[in-house]
Amino acid sequence: GIQVEQSPPDLILQEGANSTLRCNFSDSVNNLQWFHQNPWGQLINLFYIPSGTKQNGRLSATTVATERYSLLYISSSQTTDSGVYFCAVELYHQGAQKLVFGQGTRLTINP
Amino acid sequence: DAGITQSPRHKVTETGTPVTLRCHQTENHRYMYWYRQDPGHGLRLIHYSYGVKDTDKGEVSDGYSVSRSKTEDFLLTLESATSSQTSVYFCAISGGPDTQYFGPGTRLTVL
Repeated sequence: GIQVEQSPPDLILQEGANSTLRCNFSDSVNNLQWFHQNPWGQLINLFYIPSGTKQNGRLSATTVATERYSLLYISSSQTTDSGVYFCAVELYHQGAQKLVFGQGTRLTINP
Repeated sequence: DAGITQSPRHKVTETGTPVTLRCHQTENHRYMYWYRQDPGHGLRLIHYSYGVKDTDKGEVSDGYSVSRSKTEDFLLTLESATSSQTSVYFCAISGGPDTQYFGPGTRLTVL
């Protein structure tokens, strides 16, 4: 089956720093999502991004589908950005969006 | 916030006992999913549903069964719980492309 790998596994930064998280996937996909899991465990979708670049405030994401990778950029980090970031690729069956997740990048932002 | 609830939110049980987790939605979405989250594995799909009484297996379905008798409820059953099924279980719903939401999770401990 398709493999999804994220790097780095852990990242510790000071408040105000910028960061880049990477997601590699082994086969072509219908779509790709980025999630943030906060310290309370809630999963929040950040981006649906099968290709191209999207921006939302201090966060942006770029997917290069032909080279099978996606990047999540976080600028001017805040302590509330801490948590685990997951990328997930979508596979469709009967219209259902089955997600295959990477192992996540744990981001810690220190004040 | 999407209307998804999971019950119970926490459960401790003994090996060999049956366990049922419930996912309830108020969005009338067609598709529902069960994932488990374990350290080092991200989230992995257990089972999913693409309509009432229409379900299929995900990548880690052994030891689990599901039922969906009405649109709003998707039940996950562990017929005879084992310690390897200690995990955090997430329900998700989707109504089509770019509309996927996760519930708050259920932490299950099997002693």
